Amino acid sequence: AQKVTQAQTEISVVEKEDVTLDCVYETRDTTYYLFWYKQPPSGELVFLIRRNSFDEQNEISGRYSWNFQKSTSSFNFTITASQVVDSAVYFCALKGSGGGADGLTFGKGTHLIIQP
Amino acid sequence: GAGVSQSPSNKVTEKGKDVELRCDPISGHTALYWYRQSLGQGLEFLIYFQGNSAPDKSGLPSDRFSAERTGGSVSTLTIQRTQQEDSAVYLCASSLGQGTVETQYFGPGTRLLVL
Repeated sequence: AQKVTQAQTEISVVEKEDVTLDCVYETRDTTYYLFWYKQPPSGELVFLIRRNSFDEQNEISGRYSWNFQKSTSSFNFTITASQVVDSAVYFCALKGSGGGADGLTFGKGTHLIIQP
Repeated sequence: GAGVSQSPSNKVTEKGKDVELRCDPISGHTALYWYRQSLGQGLEFLIYFQGNSAPDKSGLPSDRFSAERTGGSVSTLTIQRTQQEDSAVYLCASSLGQGTVETQYFGPGTRLLVL
């Protein structure tokens, strides 16, 4: 069985602070895929990043960066110099190598509040 | 281009009534997914279509739930004899359908409230 744990239910920071959202996963698949999605108040899930298990390079996209560590089964997401528009619920998700029929396994989400 | 669209945006129904939710995937995407998001259960995967075919329906919560897709495009999720525990946001996603694992792009969801 696959599992994704986002231990932080809610995080509140002041604008311009850096913030890290944690994601820990469990899977028996040797090949798997990890995702982060953002869900703003409008409700639509917005794709942020996808990472394959065989590629452990960290990635930076503007103020966003992701730290994938296979040894600790973690895929953490950092927002640098946070802005009010970053306020949303962020979901980490896992997909095994079983094809589309498996669907994505999501964590419970972290509600990020950026205060002005 | 246009993203995934879903209708209705909101649906209020009485317990025991049937409801039909619609999903229109991104043009050219052959894979389509349904998920349910509720406070208690988080985001749950329900069913996947490749073309018009759904190889595994075991993710559907009960036999009151059914889904179909015709013409390889629009999909409908039908809930018969709705119960209050069916209240949730129903999300649809689509992907190209050309690989084993692809990025799924989500629609805005249908908020279902069963009174």
